[in-house]
Amino acid sequence: AQSVTQPDIHITVSEGASLELRCNYSYGATPYLFWYVQSPGQGLQLLLKYFSGDTLVQGIKGFEAEFKRSQSSFNLRKPSVHWSDAAEYFCAVGAPNDYKLSFGAGTTVTVRA
Amino acid sequence: AAGVIQSPRHLIKEKRETATLKCYPIPRHDTVYWYQQGPGQDPQFLISFYEKMQSDKGSIPDRFSAQQFSDYHSELNMSSLELGDSALYFCASSSGALSLHFGNGTRLTVT
Repeated sequence: AQSVTQPDIHITVSEGASLELRCNYSYGATPYLFWYVQSPGQGLQLLLKYFSGDTLVQGIKGFEAEFKRSQSSFNLRKPSVHWSDAAEYFCAVGAPNDYKLSFGAGTTVTVRA
Repeated sequence: AAGVIQSPRHLIKEKRETATLKCYPIPRHDTVYWYQQGPGQDPQFLISFYEKMQSDKGSIPDRFSAQQFSDYHSELNMSSLELGDSALYFCASSSGALSLHFGNGTRLTVT
């Protein structure tokens, strides 16, 4: 069975500072990996996804993530955080060609001025 | 670009009532997924449909049923509502071409 662990429930970061959100997955083969962002009461917006190929994936809003098979990780990074990045971030894993995703518990990001 | 449309956006029901949520996928998307996100929880997969047939089932209560119609829209029917059914219900659609798009969700409140 596939599963995702996001070790950090809540992260506070200063505006302009870098951000890294951790994601570890469990899956028997090469998974499909996703990062979504959710603002309060809103839907899930896809930031980026990894299916195969280059392990460093660029997404929207200046985010990137790196797939590390040896560590079963897919950490999300942003070099300089903006106040509008305050939201909840979900990492998700799925089987190839199957979008029955398993989500992590989410990481809430607070941005302080 | 067209997105996944869910209606209604908000729904308030009383215990033991019935609710119907609707999802209109992106045109030419043939697969629909339903997820439930409880307060402070991560989204949980409920059920999916491919070409109008149920393709997979997750942790969906027996009180819930769903179907996909000939125009590919989908409806999630929930009966005998319980307080614990209060959640944000997401629909997502895909065309199997490495894309998955979520709607903005329907917030169901059961009182």
